[in-house]
Amino acid sequence: EAGVTQFPSHSVIEKGQTVTLRCDPISGHDNLYWYRRVMGKEIKFLLHFVKESKQDESGMPNNRFLAERTGGTYSTLKVQPAELEDSGVYFCASSQGWNTDTQYFGPGTRLTVL
Amino acid sequence: KNQVEQSPQSLIILEGKNCTLQCNYTVSPFSNLRWYKQDTGRGPVSLTIMTFSENTKSNGRYTATLDADTKQSSLHITASQLSDSASYICVVSITGFQKLVFGTGTRLLVSP
Repeated sequence: EAGVTQFPSHSVIEKGQTVTLRCDPISGHDNLYWYRRVMGKEIKFLLHFVKESKQDESGMPNNRFLAERTGGTYSTLKVQPAELEDSGVYFCASSQGWNTDTQYFGPGTRLTVL
Repeated sequence: KNQVEQSPQSLIILEGKNCTLQCNYTVSPFSNLRWYKQDTGRGPVSLTIMTFSENTKSNGRYTATLDADTKQSSLHITASQLSDSASYICVVSITGFQKLVFGTGTRLLVSP
């Protein structure tokens, strides 16, 4: 069974540009999550999808971040325009159910904003 | 404020030795506590998940304990192997939400 995949693995962009990260969850997982780790800090929650609906987006930093999950399959996270402080590693995770269900993480996308 | 603190920040042990990692949390309302292992350049991998009523849970050479009264957890690694070198992250889930609150992790290096 394929795990959670993320694309690209690395992205280097200049301040003010736009970047779109993609996450493909494990097939059949209704729950999809985005997390971010900035340099030297702990991983922090960004948002949670149940199928195509945003269940909780309380962790989104500001309106420069837009997450979508069309059709309840893969998800994209767009940053527009990117700022220096957006640099970090963006993780996606998925789970079948919720509460005590295991969240399976992807390898992450390392974003560097110059 | 919901927080998860881990100690030590880093640890070096010899192959074959045991070690214990600590986690204190102030997350409320508490739903469950998870330990994850993260290898360099990879995503976190779940080791254990414990609810309020569970005191201990094992996964091979990994044994996690939970004291919900003192809000403390530990992860014990037995007979360490070189492949145990990684960051170990304590994560707490908030009741009613699916967001996870992460600790900063303990970086473990197992030396031959």
